[in-house]
Amino acid sequence: DGGITQSPKYLFRKEGQNVTLSCEQNLNHDAMYWYRQDPGQGLRLIYYSQIVNDFQKGDIAEGYSVSREKKESFPLTVTSAQKNPTAFYLCASSIDSGSSGANVLTFGAGSRLTVL
Amino acid sequence: QQPVQSPQAVILREGEDAVINCSSSKALYSVHWYRQKHGEAPVFLMILLKGGEQKGHEKISASFNEKKQQSSLYLTASQLSYSGTYFCGTERGAGSQGNLIFGKGTKLSVKP
Repeated sequence: DGGITQSPKYLFRKEGQNVTLSCEQNLNHDAMYWYRQDPGQGLRLIYYSQIVNDFQKGDIAEGYSVSREKKESFPLTVTSAQKNPTAFYLCASSIDSGSSGANVLTFGAGSRLTVL
Repeated sequence: QQPVQSPQAVILREGEDAVINCSSSKALYSVHWYRQKHGEAPVFLMILLKGGEQKGHEKISASFNEKKQQSSLYLTASQLSYSGTYFCGTERGAGSQGNLIFGKGTKLSVKP
C-alpha cells in the first residue's frame, strides 16, 4: 500500500543536539511538506518542496533545515537553534502543489520529539 | 492569516448533529477539511473549491460561502467514530503553490 513513513515515532534528545526526522513516501507525489503541531495551535508549516532539489521556507522555518535529494525523501533536521523544539512533527505529501484539488494532503503518522 | 474555527470544542451524544465553522479574513480559493484522531495523522475528509464544486465523504457535508469567506462542516447523525479534532485548511491565495494554512481545530467528542 502506498503511503508516508515517518521515523522515529518517538525521539528524546538533550538540549543543544541536532536531530533528523525521516520522511519517505511511495505515492509518487511531487510535493512534500513538514508541519509542526503543538496543543491548541493547529498545524504550522515549516518547509515545503515542490520538486527535487528545491524547497521553500514556510511560516516557522527558523531553527530547521531540510533537503530533497530524492523525490521519495524529505528529511527534516531540528537544529540547536530551534528554541522550543518539543512538538509533534507531521510530514505530508500531495500530487503537486500547483492547483486546487491536486494539493490534497496525505499525512504520515508523525514523530513526537521531546527535548530534555 | 490563520482561519478561525468555531466552536473550539463540542460534545455530542450519538445521533446528534454538529456544525463546525471556518472563517477567513482573506478571500478563499478552496477549503480543505481534515479529521485527526488522538495520536494519529490527520485524514482528508473533503475539499470545497471556488465555484461551488464539492467532494464529499459519507454522512459529512460542507458548504462554502465565497462572499462571506467561510465554510461550514456538517456532521449528521453523529457516530462514535466521528470523535476527533477537525481542521480546516485554506489556500493562501492565487499562486500560493497550493500551500494550506490551517485553523487551530475543533475538538469533537461523541458520547454513547
